[in-house]
Amino acid sequence: GAVVSQHPSWVICKSGTSVKIECRSLDFQATTMFWYRQFPKQSLMLMATSNEGSKATYEQGVEKDKFLINHASLTLSTLTVTSAHPEDSSFYICSARSLAGANYNEQFFGPGTRLTVL
Amino acid sequence: AQSVTQPDIHITVSEGASLELRCNYSYGATPYLFWYVQSPGQGLQLLLKYFSGDTLVQGIKGFEAEFKRSQSSFNLRKPSVHWSDAAEYFCAVGFLDAGNMLTFGGGTRLMVKP
Repeated sequence: GAVVSQHPSWVICKSGTSVKIECRSLDFQATTMFWYRQFPKQSLMLMATSNEGSKATYEQGVEKDKFLINHASLTLSTLTVTSAHPEDSSFYICSARSLAGANYNEQFFGPGTRLTVL
Repeated sequence: AQSVTQPDIHITVSEGASLELRCNYSYGATPYLFWYVQSPGQGLQLLLKYFSGDTLVQGIKGFEAEFKRSQSSFNLRKPSVHWSDAAEYFCAVGFLDAGNMLTFGGGTRLMVKP
């Protein structure tokens, strides 16, 4: 149980285009999901907290108009990188927070999405 | 603000040798503590976690970690390393009053010599 998927796993796009990344909790409901960014050989940096039915909370230095987050249901959050540029190339990882039973308050991570902007 | 430090960026051990990866955190209260492993190009897999209770926790793949409040540490150990353990290891802390938002350490890359 407690599986999180991301789609796509890998995307290449041209500079100036927008890319949408989906994060799904497959077997549990998640009122809260988190989006992280990881540059090569670096740690995960939290970008934003996605709350179902309300606006996302962005970390300092993260442009909310550039990284649009929508958490429209209890199992799906999307991150849209708008007008992507090469410096947005990174590994994006989502996690979903479980409120169920033994996994209460634990985050489960998706496999990540590698974005390459040409 | 809370912070997590993994002092060792790279560690190389021989297969069969013991391993200890260090993790220190800075926070006034006892946080939730986690160790994750990441293989290249992959997401994170939870090795073990500490919420409360016994300060020595057992995880998957033969890993264990010990929470030492006096040292603000949560070091990861394994008695005998296998070549398949080569990966990046991240320590993370979470805080219930922040919805268990996680703060990650910088990571330690483990290499295993045959």
